[in-house]
Amino acid sequence: KAGVTQTPRYLIKTRGQQVTLSCSPISGHRSVSWYQQTPGQGLQFLFEYFSETQRNKGNFPGRFSGRQFSNSRSEMNVSTLELGDSALYLCASSPSSGGTYEQYFGPGTRLTVT
Amino acid sequence: AQSVAQPEDQVKVAEGNPLTVKCTYSVSGNPYLFWYVQYPNRGLQFLLKYITGDNLVKGSYGFEAEFNKSQTSFHLKKPSALVSDSALYFCAVRDIGRAGGYNKLIFGAGTRLAVHP
Repeated sequence: KAGVTQTPRYLIKTRGQQVTLSCSPISGHRSVSWYQQTPGQGLQFLFEYFSETQRNKGNFPGRFSGRQFSNSRSEMNVSTLELGDSALYLCASSPSSGGTYEQYFGPGTRLTVT
Repeated sequence: AQSVAQPEDQVKVAEGNPLTVKCTYSVSGNPYLFWYVQYPNRGLQFLLKYITGDNLVKGSYGFEAEFNKSQTSFHLKKPSALVSDSALYFCAVRDIGRAGGYNKLIFGAGTRLAVHP
């Protein structure tokens, strides 16, 4: 089975711009979660989508948003980029929301904001 | 609130020696605990999990973890370290604060493991 894929792998944007990141979960997985990884704050949960519905949201400003499509693929969007948004953005998929399943992570998208 | 602590930023061990990476947790109910490993420029790879049952959990690549409820710990162990085990290790707990048990993971700060020949 193919793993979680994320595109693009690397991205450079300018402050004030917006960006969209994409995540394709493992086939059959219906839950997709997003995390931000930075040296200062570590790994922080952004949000989770299951069956096209946001199930949970982390403590991030409204500039961070996401959605999930009927094929379980997910996108996250960051508007009005700030320098502090530079990070590795990871998505993770799981067969279900909750239960005893572990999550499987993609390789991440490295976003640099200049 | 649920939390995880990894008290060591870095652990150094010689190849062939046993290794331990420490993790302690704080949860309001029964913990769902996980260990992940991250290699440079890669995402996180799942190693093992504790949900319920035996306190000793076996996982991938020869790793195991011991759940200790009285000490609220979930230390990662391996009997004989390899140089290729050098990586960043994260302990995580699943936030089940909300009814329904969603998939939000709360991570520790990570421990960098360095295995030298």
